[in-house]
Amino acid sequence: GDSVTQMEGPVTLSEEAFLTINCTYTATGYPSLFWYVQYPGEGLQLLLKATKADDKGSNKGFEATYRKETTSFHLEKGSVQVSDSAVYFCALKTNAGNNRKLIWGLGTSLAVNP
Amino acid sequence: EAGVAQSPRYKIIEKRQSVAFWCNPISGHATLYWYQQILGQGPKLLIQFQNNGVVDDSQLPKDRFSAERLKGVDSTLKIQPAKLEDSAVYLCASSLTDRPRAYNEQFFGPGTRLTVL
Repeated sequence: GDSVTQMEGPVTLSEEAFLTINCTYTATGYPSLFWYVQYPGEGLQLLLKATKADDKGSNKGFEATYRKETTSFHLEKGSVQVSDSAVYFCALKTNAGNNRKLIWGLGTSLAVNP
Repeated sequence: EAGVAQSPRYKIIEKRQSVAFWCNPISGHATLYWYQQILGQGPKLLIQFQNNGVVDDSQLPKDRFSAERLKGVDSTLKIQPAKLEDSAVYLCASSLTDRPRAYNEQFFGPGTRLTVL
């Protein structure tokens, strides 16, 4: 079945460091891919998305490119801030058949130290 | 625009007790979702409503969990009786609709953290 695998956390970085959180997926058809973020004490928020191969989603300095050849959607940011400390979830949504629910990774906790 | 509202934010109960959660989605959103998020895991879809009809409840433990959305707006999720393993955050989300091949962002509420002792 469809699945999402993302790198285990926690990830701890210093402010202004480069961030990569790996995400790979298994899906039939052509899924849409998402990164959600969950700040402490808050609900999940959509961070960025990509709906087809080679699309690049970007928001708040974060980027992720939909790579069909490697079935990946890695999240990157060139210079993290303390305010980026949160849990990041990779997710996919298939567009085939009737099963269109979001499939989630386990989440990666990021802590950014000043 | 108001977001998805949930109450209560926190609830502590003893096992075998009952509990209910309430969700008010964003105005005009036809699709409503309830998720269970156990610590250290991603959200697990429990039930999805399209207006007041159930679209998917395949992962809802129907012997103890129930949910309704009678007027197609707000919704309640009930657990009766609760078990220790029900301790989790219960998230409600809504989206404008759920049309095939269309992107419909899900907007999440802050969640209800349930602790079962």
